[in-house]
Amino acid sequence: GAGVSQTPSNKVTEKGKYVELRCDPISGHTALYWYRQSLGQGPEFLIYFQGTGAADDSGLPNDRFFAVRPEGSVSTLKIQRTERGDSAVYLCASSLEYNEQFFGPGTRLTVL
Amino acid sequence: SQQGEEDPQALSIQEGENATMNCSYKTSINNLQWYRQNSGRGLVHLILIRSNEREKHSGRLRVTLDTSKKSSSLLITASRAADTASYFCATDEWGAQKLVFGQGTRLTINP
Repeated sequence: GAGVSQTPSNKVTEKGKYVELRCDPISGHTALYWYRQSLGQGPEFLIYFQGTGAADDSGLPNDRFFAVRPEGSVSTLKIQRTERGDSAVYLCASSLEYNEQFFGPGTRLTVL
Repeated sequence: SQQGEEDPQALSIQEGENATMNCSYKTSINNLQWYRQNSGRGLVHLILIRSNEREKHSGRLRVTLDTSKKSSSLLITASRAADTASYFCATDEWGAQKLVFGQGTRLTINP
């Protein structure tokens, strides 16, 4: 079956702009996760959804970052007033509860 | 914050040799997972070992877990050029599903 998909694969924006990153999880997976990975580092957790609700948003760095999953499937990560330090690969994963997390190919965000 | 530390940070071996990577972590865990990443993009899930398991095999992969030492190892036998990648361990704690990753081991297999 289809894996986790993310769009766009690459996003270049200017400092101060707003961006949206989309994630389509594996069908039937109730849990969805967002991670951020900087060059040379391991992924860092941002937020986790169980169904439609954010079960853990402790990894969001500040209030410029927000994520939604209105129907319990597709999720959108929203970043307001982007800064150069937001440049990274944003990874989405999905899973059945307490099982392996399967990752998408990521969105590479570059803030100029 | 990063929980785990992988050791070594980089490893270069000849094709056909075995590669061993180690991971240490700090807190009590529910599961430990190993992932492979090529070219800094999506992570491929390799194997999950639960806290009550000590060893697990999948093809050429062997994972061990020692919860008393808070450490795990990943062994890749009979390495191939296609195994060249970064390898990460990731842990999740009881009651929390988020994964905490180490910084990874960059493995290079020389033909």
